[in-house]
Amino acid sequence: DSGVTQTPKHLITATGQRVTLRCSPRSGDLSVYWYQQSLDQGLQFLIQYYNGEERAKGNILERFSAQQFPDLHSELNLSSLELGDSALYFCASSVTTHTEAFFGQGTRLTVV
Amino acid sequence: AQTVTQSQPEMSVQEAETVTLSCTYDTSESDYYLFWYKQPPSRQMILVIRQEAYKQQNATENRFSVNFQKAAKSFSLKISDSQLGDAAMYFCAYRSPTGANSKLTFGKGITLSVRP
Repeated sequence: DSGVTQTPKHLITATGQRVTLRCSPRSGDLSVYWYQQSLDQGLQFLIQYYNGEERAKGNILERFSAQQFPDLHSELNLSSLELGDSALYFCASSVTTHTEAFFGQGTRLTVV
Repeated sequence: AQTVTQSQPEMSVQEAETVTLSCTYDTSESDYYLFWYKQPPSRQMILVIRQEAYKQQNATENRFSVNFQKAAKSFSLKISDSQLGDAAMYFCAYRSPTGANSKLTFGKGITLSVRP
C-alpha cells in the first residue's frame, strides 16, 4: 500500500457526461500529480500541484481541470467525455518536488 | 525538454537468471533524479529504485541494481535471480528538481516476461 488513495477504483459513464476523480496523497506529501495511461500506452503527464498551487501542466485537454484543496487532497474533473478518454488515471504524491513519487492504485474510467 | 527512451519493447528472462533493462535520457541539467517503476498486471505503479545524479555510486535494492552512466545518459536496471513475480512492465523515469520541470517524465516502458 503506497498510502495514496484514489476513488473511485472503477467508473463507467456515458459520452458527454462529467466525472470527478479524487485523490488523497500520503500524509505529509505536498505535491500531487495526475497521469493518464491509455491501453498499451505509457504514462502521460496531465498536471501537478504543490501545496495548493498549480506547478506544471502537461498535455491536459481543455475539457479536463484539476485542483488541490487546502487539506491537500486533489480532484481531477473530466467533462464532455469521449470514448477516447477511457483510460487508467493515476494520482501520485511526493513530499517535495524532487523526491520520489508514490502512486495510487488508479481509477479505471470507461466511457461508453 | 527532457526525454526518456526505452528502446526495447519486450524482454524475456529465464527464472533465476539475470536480465538488464535499458534506458537512456536526454537532459541539459546536471542535477536530477532517475527512477525505475514496476507495473505488474494489477496496474499498480511500484517504485523499484531511485538514483540521484550527483551520486557516483550505483543504487542497489536487494536483487535490483542500476548501472548509471551520467556522461552517456544511460540508466539501466539489472534484475538478479529473476523470479516469476518480476514479470511486469518496467518504466524508467526522469525528474528534475526544479520548479516546472519537476514532474516525472516516463519512458514508454518495457514488458518483461519470466520463463519458469
